[in-house]
Amino acid sequence: DVKVTQSSRYLVKRTGEKVFLECVQDMDHENMFWYRQDPGLGLRLIYFSYDVKMKEKGDIPEGYSVSREKKERFSLILESASTNQTSMYLCASSNPGSYGPNEKLFFGSGTQLSVL
Amino acid sequence: SQKIEQNSEALNIQEGKTATLTCNYTNYSPAYLQWYRQDPGRGPVFLLLIRENEKEKRKERLKVTFDTTLKQSLFHITASQPADSATYLCALIFVGDNYGQNFVFGPGTRLSVLP
Repeated sequence: DVKVTQSSRYLVKRTGEKVFLECVQDMDHENMFWYRQDPGLGLRLIYFSYDVKMKEKGDIPEGYSVSREKKERFSLILESASTNQTSMYLCASSNPGSYGPNEKLFFGSGTQLSVL
Repeated sequence: SQKIEQNSEALNIQEGKTATLTCNYTNYSPAYLQWYRQDPGRGPVFLLLIRENEKEKRKERLKVTFDTTLKQSLFHITASQPADSATYLCALIFVGDNYGQNFVFGPGTRLSVLP
């Protein structure tokens, strides 16, 4: 069974702290994504990666960075956490398919981050 | 401006009835459209995909329609059950060169099926 694993389900951090969110997939997928989900706003893309050491900005990259040193692992970094980064963070992975560069997305269970 | 909307934030329906969820969009031309289910505290799970040249797709009790003229997709769950209670997300997909920029998600509709 395919799996995307996020390291923490709940995280509480202080303003100004550096925060690491880890994501691992076991499907040998090429593409990995970080989204945040806020009530009424839907899923918004922060960063994505289509290869090891490659990264591309999504729609809302400000205040975030990412790292992909190995194919199966994609990390999201909040350099200096702020209260407006309190949100549910979702990691996803996919492979190119017959429908285009990304077929269906496989999501992790999410990390609910609270920044106080 | 570009916008994707789902009919309502929450929808209550009686068990056994057909639930109909709506996804409307403006100023987009998606190649295809997907529906995902999300349970509380979990990530979304893929359900169905429909292409722009397909009118209808079925999978067990699920049916999706896609009208590119109306810029609308309808998602139906027939003979609904309390276990169908969840948030349902639609996603527009654009095929292009950019690997990651081709999904746009709607805000979701929270469906509650009452026994």
